[in-house]
Amino acid sequence: AQSVTQLDSHVSVSEGTPVLLRCNYSSSYSPSLFWYVQHPNKGLQLLLKYTSAATLVKGINGFEAEFKKSETSFHLTKPSAHMSDAAEYFCAPESGGYNKLIFGAGTRLAVHP
Amino acid sequence: GAGVSQSPRYKVAKRGQDVALRCDPISGHVSLFWYQQALGQGPEFLTYFQNEAQLDKSGLPSDRFFAERPEGSVSTLKIQRTQQEDSAVYLCASSLEVNTEAFFGQGTRLTVV
Repeated sequence: AQSVTQLDSHVSVSEGTPVLLRCNYSSSYSPSLFWYVQHPNKGLQLLLKYTSAATLVKGINGFEAEFKKSETSFHLTKPSAHMSDAAEYFCAPESGGYNKLIFGAGTRLAVHP
Repeated sequence: GAGVSQSPRYKVAKRGQDVALRCDPISGHVSLFWYQQALGQGPEFLTYFQNEAQLDKSGLPSDRFFAERPEGSVSTLKIQRTQQEDSAVYLCASSLEVNTEAFFGQGTRLTVV
């Protein structure tokens, strides 16, 4: 069965500095993996998706994630944080073959001026 | 409409009351998901429809929860005899085909008092 661990519940960075949000999954095979962002009072929005093609996946708003099978990790990064990046971020492997998502507990990103 | 629409946005129910939550998916979308998001947690899968067929209901927490999608478009999640632990945001998502991106609605926040 799929499970996912987001290693930090809160991350705080200064505007213009790099962002790293960590995600580890457990699985007996390489799943499809997703990162979603949730802004207050808004729906979940897909940032990026890994589906066993390139291991470095580029998403929207300058985010990217690297799939590392040996480490069962799929960490999300961005070179330079913007104030508008402040939100909750969820890592989610797929399960069941029809994009049923198993969400992590989330990481709240705060961006300070 | 342009996106997934859920109604009502907010619902307050007295303990023991029945509630019905509605999801209007994006027109033509085959797949429809319901998730439950408790405060401070990631969304948890409840159930999945492919057109009108409910193919996975493994996440429904009890027999008080029931979902339907009779004509393969609008879906309703019904909770009977609501309990305090049912308080959460209920999210609906739809996707055009089985393995394509899921688009989420803004959710219905249910508070049971």
